[in-house]
Amino acid sequence: EVQLVESGGGLVQPGRSLKLSCAASGFTFSSFPMAWVRQAPKKGLEWVASISSGGGGTYYPDSVKGRFTISRDNAKSTLYLQMDSLRSEDTASYYCARKGVQLGWYFDFWGPGTMVTVSS
Amino acid sequence: DIQMTQSPSLLSASVGDRVTLSCKASQSIYNSLAWYQQKLGEAPKLLIYDANSLQTGIPSRFSGSGSGTDYTLTISSLQPEDVATYFCQKYYSGSTFGAGTKLELK
Repeated sequence: EVQLVESGGGLVQPGRSLKLSCAASGFTFSSFPMAWVRQAPKKGLEWVASISSGGGGTYYPDSVKGRFTISRDNAKSTLYLQMDSLRSEDTASYYCARKGVQLGWYFDFWGPGTMVTVSS
Repeated sequence: DIQMTQSPSLLSASVGDRVTLSCKASQSIYNSLAWYQQKLGEAPKLLIYDANSLQTGIPSRFSGSGSGTDYTLTISSLQPEDVATYFCQKYYSGSTFGAGTKLELK
């Protein structure tokens, strides 16, 4: 059974940093590209970062480019999201998601999410 | 940037109804479209990918259709457990989600 479990969320002050982790199990982690998607309270979904299966390719939308860094440790089956220079608008639940098995960047499995609150 | 517009934002229907949700792109996305179901307090669940392919384990009452800029998610016979918010996602030229359609029971 595919499982994704995020951790590392919490309350952080504006301008500070936070690192999220996502522990994967039940599939060959090193074979799948992965992503982070966030959801602000009572809002829609926003893709924030993607990474290739080997880790050599990373992709970001303009809203987080230069502030967020996605990475992975295939030996530990773990995905990471380093978030720097955090802003109030980064407050959201952050989901780890696995890219689907077909060509397109849709997401076939999601973790339960971890909440990040950016506030002074 | 390609924008995704979902309609309606809120839909009330009765058990057994045929329900249709719409997702429109501001330009062609060449069937690079997925649909997700999100129940209150839960993570999204993939229903449909590539516009019309049913994800493994999803009931056959869910179906997707469309092409070019206009796409539809249909629930052939609404069940109580289908109460949720439904999001579309385009993955042609970047990834963008629609704002969602909240489906409730009448």
